[in-house]
Order: sequence, then C-alpha cells, then structure tokens
Amino acid sequence: AQSVAQPEDQVNVAEGNPLTVKCTYSVSGNPYLFWYVQYPNRGLQFLLKYITGDNLVKGSYGFEAEFNKSQTSFHLKKPSALVSDSALYFCAVRDADNDMRFGAGTRLTVKP
Amino acid sequence: KAGVTQTPRYLIKTRGQQVTLSCSPISGHRSVSWYQQTPGQGLQFLFEYFSETQRNKGNFPGRFSGRQFSNSRSEMNVSTLELGDSALYLCASSLGTAITGELFFGEGSRLTVL
Repeated sequence: AQSVAQPEDQVNVAEGNPLTVKCTYSVSGNPYLFWYVQYPNRGLQFLLKYITGDNLVKGSYGFEAEFNKSQTSFHLKKPSALVSDSALYFCAVRDADNDMRFGAGTRLTVKP
Repeated sequence: KAGVTQTPRYLIKTRGQQVTLSCSPISGHRSVSWYQQTPGQGLQFLFEYFSETQRNKGNFPGRFSGRQFSNSRSEMNVSTLELGDSALYLCASSLGTAITGELFFGEGSRLTVL
C-alpha cells in the first residue's frame, strides 16, 4: 500500500526567505504526487502535482516541487515566502490501484 | 463554476445518535471521496465512489457508510456515534477515474459528538 511521510510538524521561516516543506513517499508502482494547502476552517486546495516528465513542477502561488525518484521525495519549495503562505500543507500520493493518501501535514508559519 | 458543497457545515450530536452528511460535487465530476480529519490522526480516507459504485474503502468500522446518487451527489452516514467520531469530514470530487487527477475539496462538515 502507498504511504507518505512529512517529517516536520512545523516549519518556521522569515518573510522573504526561501521555504521548503519536506515529503517522502512509498508506493509499489509509479507514484502520482500532490501538494495541497489548507487555511483555517477551510477545505484543502490543490497546489501542484507530479505525474510524469520534468522533475521540477510549478504550481499555484509561486510554489514548486521537486520529484526525486532515488530519494523517494517530493519537497515543496518557494523562493521567497510571504506571511500569507502561513497554512497547513499536505503531501499526498496515489498509485495505480489505490485511493489518495495524505501525510500528517506540516504547519508553515511565515513571520514578518 | 460552483465548487464542492457540503452540508451541514456544523452539527452537534450526542453519543448513540446517527448523522448524515451531504456532498454535492462540482458539476461534471463523477467521483466523490470522503475523508475524516482530526488533529491526532490527520486525514484518513473513508471511501470513494464513482458512478454510484464504491471503488475503495478505508479502514473504518461498519458504522461508517456512504452512497452516491445518479446525479453524483453523495451522502455519508455514521450510526451509533461515539465521542471519537468528532472530526471535520471532508468531501472531494474529481472528474473521473483518472488517478492522475487532483481532488477538489469542499469546506467540510464539522461534527461534534457530546
């Protein structure tokens, strides 16, 4: 069965600095990887996904993620963080036979 | 285009009661998934429906059930409520069976069991 891990419960960065939110995965076949963001009292919003092709995927709000097959990772990145990026971020994985499974989430706090 | 609509947004029940939550997917979306979100367990997959058929089911007791109607709207039911069922229940829709498609989430139904 597929699984995903987000090793950090909390990430703190200063506004204007680059940010990274980490994600590693485990699947039996080709991975289909996703990042979602959740603002307080809201549902999840899709940010970006990796299906195939270029390992660097660009998504909404200036976010990007790098797929690394050898390290089974799919870290979320942004060159310059904004205070408004503060939210809960979820990594998710899906393989050919199963539903979408989510990591535990990482709370990102961007301080002015 | 309207998003995923979940009703009710908030509800309070007591132990032993049952509850039904409703989800209207984005127009044209035929797949609906349900998730339970709690602070301790994160997002846990409940079930997924496509064209009125359950495609996948998570590891939840039989008290949790769902169904999908011909118009793709979905309901989930929890019977004999327990305190631990207090959670945010999220519904998500997608276009079809493509596993590469992203999910579009509603804002959730927050259930409190007293």
